[in-house]
Amino acid sequence: SAVISQKPSRDICQRGTSLTIQCQVDSQVTMMFWYRQQPGQSLTLIATANQGSEATYESGFVIDKFPISRPNLTFSTLTVSNLSPEDSSIYLCSVAPHQETQYFGPGTRLLVL
Amino acid sequence: LAKTTQPISMDSYEGQEVNITCSHNNIATNDYITWYQQFPSQGPRFIIQGYKTKVTNEVASLFIPADRKSSTLSLPRVSLSDTAVYYCLVLNRDDKIIFGKGTRLHILP
Repeated sequence: SAVISQKPSRDICQRGTSLTIQCQVDSQVTMMFWYRQQPGQSLTLIATANQGSEATYESGFVIDKFPISRPNLTFSTLTVSNLSPEDSSIYLCSVAPHQETQYFGPGTRLLVL
Repeated sequence: LAKTTQPISMDSYEGQEVNITCSHNNIATNDYITWYQQFPSQGPRFIIQGYKTKVTNEVASLFIPADRKSSTLSLPRVSLSDTAVYYCLVLNRDDKIIFGKGTRLHILP
């Protein structure tokens, strides 16, 4: 298993600003994932982040809006840029030490006013 | 990545056994069946994974028939704290993990 922490746990941001979310894992992992979960909905994969390479984004998500860093094998950040109320959501990071199984962080709850 | 179908929601009572069935008609030979549980305000948590027949752990049992076109997650003697969303996923080593809508299980006193 893997223990994952996220910072911040929640935030309230103004329209037009940006929020950077940090994800820390207690062990080295190759693949990290970022998901968004809107209220009452399932999880939507934003991107896959591998250390040493550019993140791979899913359809509907672009790097300019959701830049991701992966400086080492235990850490990643997701920035949500130019915030609008539609970005209000829970953002989760996860890791896959065994590719059929993922472990998730507690999530970051974002409210954009 | 095999498409899955599971009930949108289910209600049950404390102490009952709950069975949630997931259909995955186009499952591939190298696919595994995995279930996750998500409590409100938390990330999903891995519950159980299987390939065929029956798998049991301290949380649940997973029943998979011979044709593997469906699977049933069984939660014995549920309590109020088992109220959560349960996701069935079918994927292999090369798949991205994509979540469906899941089953909202509501346990009543």
